Amino acid sequence: SQTIHQWPATLVQPVGSPLSLECTVEGTSNPNLYWYRQAAGRGLQLLFYSVGIGQISSEVPQNLSASRPQDRQFILSSKKLLLSDSGFYLCAWSPPGQGGFPLHFGNGTRLTVT
Amino acid sequence: RKEVEQDPGPFNVPEGATVAFNCTYSNSASQSFFWYRQDCRKEPKLLMSVYSSGNEDGRFTAQLNRASQYISLLIRDSKLSDSATYLCVVNFILTGGGNKLTFGTGTQLKVEL
Repeated sequence: SQTIHQWPATLVQPVGSPLSLECTVEGTSNPNLYWYRQAAGRGLQLLFYSVGIGQISSEVPQNLSASRPQDRQFILSSKKLLLSDSGFYLCAWSPPGQGGFPLHFGNGTRLTVT
Repeated sequence: RKEVEQDPGPFNVPEGATVAFNCTYSNSASQSFFWYRQDCRKEPKLLMSVYSSGNEDGRFTAQLNRASQYISLLIRDSKLSDSATYLCVVNFILTGGGNKLTFGTGTQLKVEL
């Protein structure tokens, strides 16, 4: 069966510090991978998605970047965190190809920028 | 207008009650529809897909009206364990593959004794 691992679970970082969140998927090949953010009291916002190694698409302009160095590894990064980067970050995967459903989420990382 | 709109609630209902949630979406090109459930401070989990003909899964019934761009979720015989936030989710296929799921902000349900 497929599993998705995301870490760390919680993170407190000062403004201006770098960020690296990692996500890995097991039990499937060539998954579609996603990074979402959920700010307090708001809906989930799609940040990045990837349909293959090295293929990253950004949905919104922001202070963050994403990379997919391996088929089942997805990394969210920032060089300098802003207060507005605080939120609940969720990695997700879906089966490969168009129309792959459903979306499965990792446990999330709760980031607080101070 | 938000892409997906839901009444945020909270809906406070007694155990055993029937409760209905509504959702509207703005993108008429949307192709697939889902309800996700999110417990407090947890990740969202798929509750059920929503099909054009309407579908039922135990105590849960989902319906879709494409003409009105409206989705609903009905929960019968509410249980305490149904307390959660219910997210309406609309999908369309992205150029080059993959899916963009747009989430509503969720409707909070509290089932009480």
